[in-house]
Amino acid sequence: AQSVTQLGSHVSVSEGALVLLRCNYSSSVPPYLFWYVQYPNQGLQLLLKYTSAATLVKGINGFEAEFKKSETSFHLTKPSAHMSDAAEYFCAVSGSGGYNKLIFGAGTRLAVHP
Amino acid sequence: GAVVSQHPSRVICKSGTSVKIECRSLDFQATTMFWYRQFPKKSLMLMATSNEGSKATYEQGVEKDKFLINHASLTLSTLTVTSAHPEDSSFYICSASPFLAFEETQYFGPGTRLLVL
Repeated sequence: AQSVTQLGSHVSVSEGALVLLRCNYSSSVPPYLFWYVQYPNQGLQLLLKYTSAATLVKGINGFEAEFKKSETSFHLTKPSAHMSDAAEYFCAVSGSGGYNKLIFGAGTRLAVHP
Repeated sequence: GAVVSQHPSRVICKSGTSVKIECRSLDFQATTMFWYRQFPKKSLMLMATSNEGSKATYEQGVEKDKFLINHASLTLSTLTVTSAHPEDSSFYICSASPFLAFEETQYFGPGTRLLVL
């Protein structure tokens, strides 16, 4: 069984500050991990994914995430927040090995204020 | 690349009618498509996995007869909400995985907002 826990349903940062969105997972098989972003009334856009290669994954828009097996974590970071980063962020896990369904976390709403 | 479209983007219907939502992969073939439902300010809940040429696999608690899924081609899956009721109002999102070995990424459509009056 797999599950995802996102700590903090709401995160607020100042523009230019560090963004840290937390994600912990549980998986009985080697996981594939994903971060998606959702803007209001839109679908999900892939930010980055971990598929058992490099543990530090760089994504779009300056985001990156580090897979830490010992901590079962896959936290999302960005050194400097921009106003356009305000959105809902979802962490998701799937089992490796082809076409497995995604299990999503509850989501974290990121607010960026001037 | 890897664009998924949904049609319509918004639909309003009367209670008791049926609504069909289309999900298309525009620039890749997808043997597998997924249908999700998202309630306001909530996460995505997987409803069913749609496989081209075979019956969909529904998640526990999802009514198969109410949410009919057809995956007739490698680029098209449809979700039909039959005899819709106000409680079916929601944001429905589809996703698709490219027909490539070891391609794990799901690409999401923009979603369809259904309002049942």
